[in-house]
Amino acid sequence: QVTLKESGPALVKPTQTLTLTCTFSGFSLTTSGMRVSWIRQPPGKALEWLARIDWDGDIFYTTSLRTRLTISKDTSKNQVVLIMTDMDPADTATYYCARETETTFPGFDYWGQGNLVTVSS
Amino acid sequence: EAELTQSPGTLSLSPGERATLFCRASQSVSTSYLAWYQQKPGQAPRLLIYGPSTRATGIPDRFSASGSGTDFTLTISSLQSEDLAVYYCQQYLSWPYSFGQGTTLEIK
Repeated sequence: QVTLKESGPALVKPTQTLTLTCTFSGFSLTTSGMRVSWIRQPPGKALEWLARIDWDGDIFYTTSLRTRLTISKDTSKNQVVLIMTDMDPADTATYYCARETETTFPGFDYWGQGNLVTVSS
Repeated sequence: EAELTQSPGTLSLSPGERATLFCRASQSVSTSYLAWYQQKPGQAPRLLIYGPSTRATGIPDRFSASGSGTDFTLTISSLQSEDLAVYYCQQYLSWPYSFGQGTTLEIK
């Protein structure tokens, strides 16, 4: 059974750094073709893909936020971490992690429940 | 970056009716690189269809997808009350992935 769960703060102040952790089970990020992405959704708005890390260590970022994002993995803990610097109220959103495989590409077949992050002083 | 435009913004239909949702890309996209999602209120998105027309695990066959080039369609053959949701298309043509703005499906 594949599950993913996001964890992190619910509230951050402007200019602070956000650290989110995705803890998953039911698959391994050492398995060929496995990928984990971060996707966010501002309240009442559409989905926005942020970053992806692959089983072989390849990393991809969305162009507009590239300078603020860092994604990494800890395969021993089955975790993927997203760091976003210089947070702004416009970054208020629910942040999801999701799995993708080479088979389902570009579809994300399993999602976490989401972590709502509010940016406010 | 390929942009996706979904229409209509809102669709209101009765149970048993057929729903047709549209997704138009700003550049030609291979059908292999398109996916559709359903997001019910308060829930994470759920993958419905990926590639040309492969339904994800557990998705009933009343959901189907078609299209090519820049124009794609998600069809729900016979609406049920539980189909109330926002539906998103998603593409990979080149980095980054992108999603449409969504179609809200209301059940009368």
